[in-house]
Amino acid sequence: ETGVTQSPTHLIKTRGQQVTLRCSSQSGHNTVSWYQQALGQGPQFIFQYYREEENGRGNFPPRFSGLQFPNYSSELNVNALELDDSALYLCASSLFLAIQETQYFGPGTRLLVL
Amino acid sequence: SQQGEEDPQALSIQEGENATMNCSYKTSINNLQWYRQNSGRGLVHLILIRSNEREKHSGRLRVTLDTSKKSSSLLITASRAADTASYFCAAQGGSEKLVFGKGTKLTVNP
Repeated sequence: ETGVTQSPTHLIKTRGQQVTLRCSSQSGHNTVSWYQQALGQGPQFIFQYYREEENGRGNFPPRFSGLQFPNYSSELNVNALELDDSALYLCASSLFLAIQETQYFGPGTRLLVL
Repeated sequence: SQQGEEDPQALSIQEGENATMNCSYKTSINNLQWYRQNSGRGLVHLILIRSNEREKHSGRLRVTLDTSKKSSSLLITASRAADTASYFCAAQGGSEKLVFGKGTKLTVNP
């Protein structure tokens, strides 16, 4: 158990819809990162939030957006869903911008876009 | 694109044997981390080795890092059926993000 939780565990959406995924970080962690993991691939960095501000973004379009709240919970929002958005979405919490720090991953949300 | 590349892609061994997985990466790093993932679930952090370290141990795990060859290896000694999982290396450079490889799928047969 890493102390990081995610909801929902599974989700089915249709193309064009919008989705919000939620993450609750480990207590005291001020940094949260989101990753997308397609089937058979390693996770790919989407973005990171530090103290409620975006602090680094991977190669994902603007329809992927996020929020981090003062209680260190966070959201990943994806608009205009595409079939290729089907994946496992992982959040990871850490201290101090996650540089040289262990990142603690949640169990993930598996999204299926039909 | 994925920076880390694990080798082999799949590995099947008997319980009690040692398992060695290799990882190569492309650019300079601050550290390299190894994670385990069971059946497409969340990642579990195993070990972090910094760029100025050459070897690190944690229980049955031994990690080496060769920055001149941009490579790392993970050795699991005396493997158990419970070690069956996918193993990923993740390189962290000058920024906050981890760049993962595609992973090695390890099967330990009882």
